[in-house]
Amino acid sequence: RKEVEQDPGPFNVPEGATVAFNCTYSNSASQSFFWYRQDCRKEPKLLMSVYSSGNEDGRFTAQLNRASQYISLLIRDSKLSDSATYLCVVITNQGGKLIFGQGTELSVKP
Amino acid sequence: NAGVMQNPRHLVRRRGQEARLRCSPMKGHSHVYWYRQLPEEGLKFMVYLQKENIIDESGMPKERFSAEFPKEGPSILRIQQVVRGDSAAYFCASSRGTSANTGELFFGEGSRLTVL
Repeated sequence: RKEVEQDPGPFNVPEGATVAFNCTYSNSASQSFFWYRQDCRKEPKLLMSVYSSGNEDGRFTAQLNRASQYISLLIRDSKLSDSATYLCVVITNQGGKLIFGQGTELSVKP
Repeated sequence: NAGVMQNPRHLVRRRGQEARLRCSPMKGHSHVYWYRQLPEEGLKFMVYLQKENIIDESGMPKERFSAEFPKEGPSILRIQQVVRGDSAAYFCASSRGTSANTGELFFGEGSRLTVL
């Protein structure tokens, strides 16, 4: 079983749509959680951290369910510029390295 | 603007040759991570280094791959006797402290290795 698993995608949505990405992790000792964004053939960049209480940053909302070992990202009012691959990232308590999911591709169409 | 600098951006090697990829972390960053991304796949952790020390190399293949981060100069990922399966994008990332604190790694633009 992969340490971090994401929806396979791709997601093709119209502008203005709401889209949700799901992610599960296998190590119950994981301590920190994040969403990164990677544009085509470019470097990944931190999008937002994920807190137990849930957190929001503009049109983006991240949720964490430790009991189910599940993380989500909700994007409201999708823009063309949101088209990218979204990477679920987990840090375990073993050395602090980031473990990336395989990513879910989002394509927002006019 | 001294971000994470990787070179070369593109490297072509024939089977059996050596590939050396270099990474200069952001100014003030002493932690370096190397990741590999195969086509259509996610980033796979390879190695985590601090100056002159390998902290975690659990993702490094047992043979042909090595990494260093000397006291002076860039971090280097070295692949000896390359094979076609080594073709990938190799991303370097840096952080000021351990990434466990903030989760934010600053990535370079990657080095794309093609093995003919």
